[in-house]
Amino acid sequence: DTEVTQTPKHLVMGMTNKKSLKCEQHMGHRAMYWYKQKAKKPPELMFVYSYEKLSINESVPSRFSPECPNSSLLNLHLHALQPEDSALYLCASTKTGGSEVVMNTEAFFGQGTRLTVV
Amino acid sequence: AQTVTQSQPEMSVQEAETVTLSCTYDTSESDYYLFWYKQPPSRQMILVIRQEAYKQQNATENRFSVNFQKAAKSFSLKISDSQLGDAAMYFCAYRDDKIIFGKGTRLHILP
Repeated sequence: DTEVTQTPKHLVMGMTNKKSLKCEQHMGHRAMYWYKQKAKKPPELMFVYSYEKLSINESVPSRFSPECPNSSLLNLHLHALQPEDSALYLCASTKTGGSEVVMNTEAFFGQGTRLTVV
Repeated sequence: AQTVTQSQPEMSVQEAETVTLSCTYDTSESDYYLFWYKQPPSRQMILVIRQEAYKQQNATENRFSVNFQKAAKSFSLKISDSQLGDAAMYFCAYRDDKIIFGKGTRLHILP
């Protein structure tokens, strides 16, 4: 199984709503990532979890709250978002995180959640 | 901070011809990985090819090959025998503890 599964695939939410994005992998990977991608732009890193601990937060606003309940699951909790937060949210995983550089170290990506904030 | 630069926002190539996409990067690290990812209209990110910085030999995967010049910090992708299915956005990416992407090159395949 080399899949990273993201749910939901599409989400429309109001600015006062609270919603969550979910990402799951069963490859035994120990690092998981959230990226935000606007149309025609590259993915921008938001958060990195390494061994279930938050290792990188790229100065993301607090209305985005990540959570890693276990090594296979990564959530992104959303609250009081703005229309400019509308984007594709991509989850990725790698075999290891941090400064370990080992073979087969590419990131596997989910299909993303297309988020629209109205 | 590490940076990745793709200087070609768009490129076009005739079907069955060869095209080269450019990428340069900046880092002070000696051990790292470089990747080319493809993102078709579905927006699924698909790994095309990887290169370990400590390996001098250029990576190849079927019709895809790279020209890795570590001293020049250059990592270009060559696509041979271009096919219609190769049309996509191509991102060059650098990895140490983060994965950083270039701005991308949109590749059009002309029938």
